[in-house]
Amino acid sequence: EVHLVESGGGLRQSGGSLRLSCAGSGFNFRNYWMNWVRQVSGKGLVWVSRLNYDGSVSSYADSVKGRFTISRDNAKNILYLQMNSLRVDDTAVYRCAREDGAGAMAIDYWGRGTLVTVSS
Amino acid sequence: SYELTQPPSVSVAPGETARIACEGKNIGGRIVNWYRQKAGQAPVLVISYDSDRPSGIPERFSGSNSNNMATLTITWVEAGDEADYYCHVWDGTNDHQIFGGGTKLTVL
Repeated sequence: EVHLVESGGGLRQSGGSLRLSCAGSGFNFRNYWMNWVRQVSGKGLVWVSRLNYDGSVSSYADSVKGRFTISRDNAKNILYLQMNSLRVDDTAVYRCAREDGAGAMAIDYWGRGTLVTVSS
Repeated sequence: SYELTQPPSVSVAPGETARIACEGKNIGGRIVNWYRQKAGQAPVLVISYDSDRPSGIPERFSGSNSNNMATLTITWVEAGDEADYYCHVWDGTNDHQIFGGGTKLTVL
């Protein structure tokens, strides 16, 4: 069974840094594109970043470009999100998500998420 | 950047048909996916490739996509279908994933 488990969330002050991790299991991690998607409590899904199989191709939402970095360690089956220069509006639950690889870029598995809170 | 627009809410009685719209410029030329998110839970893929149902999703769920609108249709709505529903496309021009704002389905 596929599992995605995020960790690393917490409380930071504006301008601070945080690194999120997502451990994947139950599937061949290195064969899948992975994403980070965030959601403010009571609000909608917002895509953050996307990374290809071997970590060589990435993309970012405009709101985080230049501040966040996505990476992966396929030997450990872990996806990362390094978050720098944090802002209050980065406060959200961050979920890692696996694309199904079928060409529609659909996300077929999601983690439960880790909460990031940025205070002023 | 590409945008997807959904109605904030849709309400139907049990046994009726719910239709949730997702508007986007020439969305018919893109591939649309749909997700259901129940309160306090992670999203679940309910439709991919415009109209394909993943394993485990009931036949009551269907999707269509043409011109400037994609639609998620849920027939014989049940109380357990109450959730937020999101449409989603991949924008190949900038390699971004785009989500609609979400529609809250209320079963009366």
